[in-house]
Amino acid sequence: ETGVTQTPRHLVMGMTNKKSLKCEQHLGHNAMYWYKQSAKKPLELMFVYSLEERVENNSVPSRFSPECPNSSHLFLHLHTLQPEDSALYLCAAAGLGTDTQYFGPGTRLTVL
Amino acid sequence: QKEVEQNSGPLSVPEGAIASLNCTYSDRGSQSFFWYRQYSGKSPELIMFIYSNGDKEDGRFTAQLNKASQYVSLLIRDSQPSDSATYLCAVNMSGGYNKLIFGAGTRLAVHP
Repeated sequence: ETGVTQTPRHLVMGMTNKKSLKCEQHLGHNAMYWYKQSAKKPLELMFVYSLEERVENNSVPSRFSPECPNSSHLFLHLHTLQPEDSALYLCAAAGLGTDTQYFGPGTRLTVL
Repeated sequence: QKEVEQNSGPLSVPEGAIASLNCTYSDRGSQSFFWYRQYSGKSPELIMFIYSNGDKEDGRFTAQLNKASQYVSLLIRDSQPSDSATYLCAVNMSGGYNKLIFGAGTRLAVHP
């Protein structure tokens, strides 16, 4: 248990659906991250939030829309995804000014 | 392009042996280095971090850093079958906001 939770753990959606992934951290940290992990590929950083402000968008398509309403919660809103977006989506949290990241369990997303 | 390179493996070692996992990185300005363990279907779990040249030991794990050679390694002593997993090397590259660049990982198989 790392103090970072993610829901849902598994999600199957069609290409026309809209869904959201949720991440919650109980570590009192101020930086939160979204990563994508596809089979046989390295972890890809998608978004970075620091003190609820987006500080990095790693050229992610607009069909992925992040939201950070407070320092404990992070969302990833999904719409009109493609089958190649199927992957494990991981949330991580880090203390402000530190670079040690702790990961949640991930959401396994399948786009049909 | 800032990169982190790892041999994908699998690295097969007998139980009780020392497993040696290696990682090279391209950004000479990098300051922080991390090793994560990822079991199949699970999220990455932080094992160790190292900031200074030399060795850092934690139980059966030793991280070694050589900034001049841009090389970081992880030694696992007395390897156990439960150590069988993919080991991810991550580097905090200079510039940007505390973002980690991950290698693709080395799969370790410890056989009885």
